[in-house]
Amino acid sequence: SSELTQPSSVSVSPGQTVMITCSGGVLAKKYARWFQQKPGQAPVLVIHKDDERPLGIPERFSGSSSGTTVTLTISGAQVEDEADYYCYSATDNNMVFGGGTRLTVL
Amino acid sequence: QVKLVESGGGLVKPGGSLRLSCAASGFTFSDHYMSWIRQAPGKGLEWVSYIASSGSSINYADSVKGRFTISRDNDKSSLYLQMNSLRVEDTAVYYCARGTDLVPGPDYWGQGTLVTVSS
Repeated sequence: SSELTQPSSVSVSPGQTVMITCSGGVLAKKYARWFQQKPGQAPVLVIHKDDERPLGIPERFSGSSSGTTVTLTISGAQVEDEADYYCYSATDNNMVFGGGTRLTVL
Repeated sequence: QVKLVESGGGLVKPGGSLRLSCAASGFTFSDHYMSWIRQAPGKGLEWVSYIASSGSSINYADSVKGRFTISRDNDKSSLYLQMNSLRVEDTAVYYCARGTDLVPGPDYWGQGTLVTVSS
């Protein structure tokens, strides 16, 4: 299947750890990326190749992969982490995004 | 630093056409895949099209195939999207995004340009 499935929303208290999952058959064969999007802004890459963090992304963001599921973990969530998060992967010819997860930090 | 600036969005009637442009700077444009990704109001991200660094490989989402055409001018470091036969459901913010030299998966995104299709 070329679909990626995410929970529509998750919430976390400041300072706590939150995990956002993304599931899809393509993830067993292809790397995933995670993007953060705040209201009115363009998406920002926070994780690529399943678990690599780009320069400038805080260490509290991490990624992992197991079979057909990838997970974005925010350890010690901050108020500024409140945003929509999208997973991404690709089939042989197509690009595919998950439906997005709204993270509330309160 | 990497900069992507989209332009060309606006209000158009159903059945009309529009051409989006993306001006790139801060990196070697001709080395990278480029793509267009859109986001309808209040909705998630939807891939539209990508083009390889040399233009040799192009692909489209089924929702736009036959209506949209992606192109690039490496001498001008510019990416384009010609959109024909526009539908109400094409209303979205259209983002230009940079891929790597090997895969279209995006890393940097522009700020987007809004396309509104309405009568």
